[in-house]
Amino acid sequence: NAGVTQTPKFRVLKTGQSMTLLCAQDMNHEYMYWYRQDPGMGLRLIHYSVGEGTTAKGEVPDGYNVSRLKKQNFLLGLESAAPSQTSVYFCASSQQENTEAFFGQGTRLTVV
Amino acid sequence: AQSVTQLGSHVSVSEGALVLLRCNYSSSVPPYLFWYVQYPNQGLQLLLKYTSAATLVKGINGFEAEFKKSETSFHLTKPSAHMSDAAEYFCAVTTDSWGKLQFGAGTQVVVTP
Repeated sequence: NAGVTQTPKFRVLKTGQSMTLLCAQDMNHEYMYWYRQDPGMGLRLIHYSVGEGTTAKGEVPDGYNVSRLKKQNFLLGLESAAPSQTSVYFCASSQQENTEAFFGQGTRLTVV
Repeated sequence: AQSVTQLGSHVSVSEGALVLLRCNYSSSVPPYLFWYVQYPNQGLQLLLKYTSAATLVKGINGFEAEFKKSETSFHLTKPSAHMSDAAEYFCAVTTDSWGKLQFGAGTQVVVTP
């Protein structure tokens, strides 16, 4: 049982480049989330989805876009990367609001 | 609005000693509270959760936490630290219908022999 899988695990981008992070879950969860983790700030919510075809903004959505065309996949896009987007990105999924959120292994992104 | 405060960004404990990690929250409605652990270069793993069933919650690896509404606290404890407990610990709260988590800044635990 793979759980939540993130692709890629590491990436280095130049300022202005674009990329897409892929999150896939095999638990048939309705809710999916993208967080970023920065030192001393914990994890902050970027965008989330409460079902296939739906997305919504979280706490820090600027500079990111998301899509959830299939229930099992949640994509995070950076259209024009900036050094401030250097971070570790985590995808998570859950079945209900008061149940455990399962996290992927993270994607370490560096923008130079 | 909800928020989470973890007191102490770094905690050093001796092997065998009590582990105490503090978490205070603010919320205008009854919260769901969680403690997650993150080992180096890994994702977050749930230690335990409070969802109003019982105020004393037992989790994995010998950890437990007590929900105290009057103190708006959800402190994490373990009676005897092991070397394998070295990790970063996050307290998180959610109050909405979509499970969006608000995390504390995290506490790095170092265990010394």
